Amino acid sequence: DTQMTQSPSSLSASVGDSVTITCQANQDITHFLSWFQQKPGKPPNLLIYDASTLQTGVPSRFIGSGSGTDFILTINSLQPEDSATYYCQQYDNLPLTFGGGTKVEI
Amino acid sequence: QVQMVESGGGVVHPGRSLRLSCVASGFTLSGTDMHWVRQAPGKGLEWVAVIWNDGNNRHYADSVKGRFTISRDTSTNTLYLQMNSLRAEDTGFYYCARVNPVTTLGIDHWGQGTLVTVSS
Repeated sequence: DTQMTQSPSSLSASVGDSVTITCQANQDITHFLSWFQQKPGKPPNLLIYDASTLQTGVPSRFIGSGSGTDFILTINSLQPEDSATYYCQQYDNLPLTFGGGTKVEI
Repeated sequence: QVQMVESGGGVVHPGRSLRLSCVASGFTLSGTDMHWVRQAPGKGLEWVAVIWNDGNNRHYADSVKGRFTISRDTSTNTLYLQMNSLRAEDTGFYYCARVNPVTTLGIDHWGQGTLVTVSS
């Protein structure tokens, strides 16, 4: 199974800040990586797929980068509504696997 | 628009069975690969199973293999998860999720989830 290691597990930032979340795979997954945002009591919401492609309707302050084994989610100009838990997920192979999550507090 | 609505969750004793349903709208299951993903309360996400758009090929997480069965009914556009021999560690929210049409396995839409609690 492909293991996804996400860091940090939590962070605190202020409105207008930029933050980065990293996700590392234990094997090459090329660009088959998504980022999801999940708010309490809600299902995950797709932000980025194919490592860097912004899902339709997602604000452009969310930026995904990386390939191979190392990936980054950058959130620029943090807004209050960005307070959530963020997960990376690889879909290069089965079983699909997720990072442990990063809780972002604003 | 794409929407999935799960149902069938509840409280069940260990060893018993439960069947979850996921009614899809805005797209057809016959042309789409579909996943089930679960999340224990306050924990992370765990993939459970996938059914390919041909309806015949399915794959399961090792933790549920032999106990859970994913299936679908294209006449009602409904996805199912039959869960047998339930264990306490199967407790959690169960989400059906659609595979992003522009990827092979990636997820683009999730249902709202249904809660399964396995407890004596």
